[in-house]
Amino acid sequence: DSGVTQTPKHLITATGQRVTLRCSPRSGDLSVYWYQQSLDQGLQFLIQYYNGEERAKGNILERFSAQQFPDLHSELNLSSLELGDSALYFCASSVNPTYNEQFFGPGTRLTVL
Amino acid sequence: SQQGEEDPQALSIQEGENATMNCSYKTSINNLQWYRQNSGRGLVHLILIRSNEREKHSGRLRVTLDTSKKSSSLLITASRAADTASYFCATSPIMEYGNKLVFGAGTILRVKS
Repeated sequence: DSGVTQTPKHLITATGQRVTLRCSPRSGDLSVYWYQQSLDQGLQFLIQYYNGEERAKGNILERFSAQQFPDLHSELNLSSLELGDSALYFCASSVNPTYNEQFFGPGTRLTVL
Repeated sequence: SQQGEEDPQALSIQEGENATMNCSYKTSINNLQWYRQNSGRGLVHLILIRSNEREKHSGRLRVTLDTSKKSSSLLITASRAADTASYFCATSPIMEYGNKLVFGAGTILRVKS
């Protein structure tokens, strides 16, 4: 158990819908990262937040957005869902925003039908 | 796109044998991390090696890093059936602001008992 929690574990929805994935970092970690794992693209970095502020952006679609709240939990919002958005979405956290280990949550498996 | 390439893509060995996985990457890095993933579940952090380190040990794991060749290797000694999993290397590229991990495609390790 890494100490990073993610909800829900599984999510099944239809195309065109919107969903919110939630992540709570390890106690004491200020930085949160989101990653997507799909069969065709592998593990891809989406976005990083540190203490409420966006720090780095990766291959995140405009239909996706994220935020980190004052209690340090983070949410990833996915809208206008397409079949290709079906994937495992991981949240990770680290103590500081740069050089440390990133610890991953168990992931949310999103299925878009 | 993924920065790292891992070799081999799949590896099958007998229990008790050693397993070696290799990773190559393209850009300058702060550190390199190895992760394990069991059957589409969460990523478990194994070890981090910094760019100024050449070798690191943790239990049955030995990691080497050659920054001149932009490559790393993970050695698992005296393998067990429980080591069966996918193994990913992830590099932390030098960035002006923020941090991210860039993952390789992974090596699927099967340890036969």
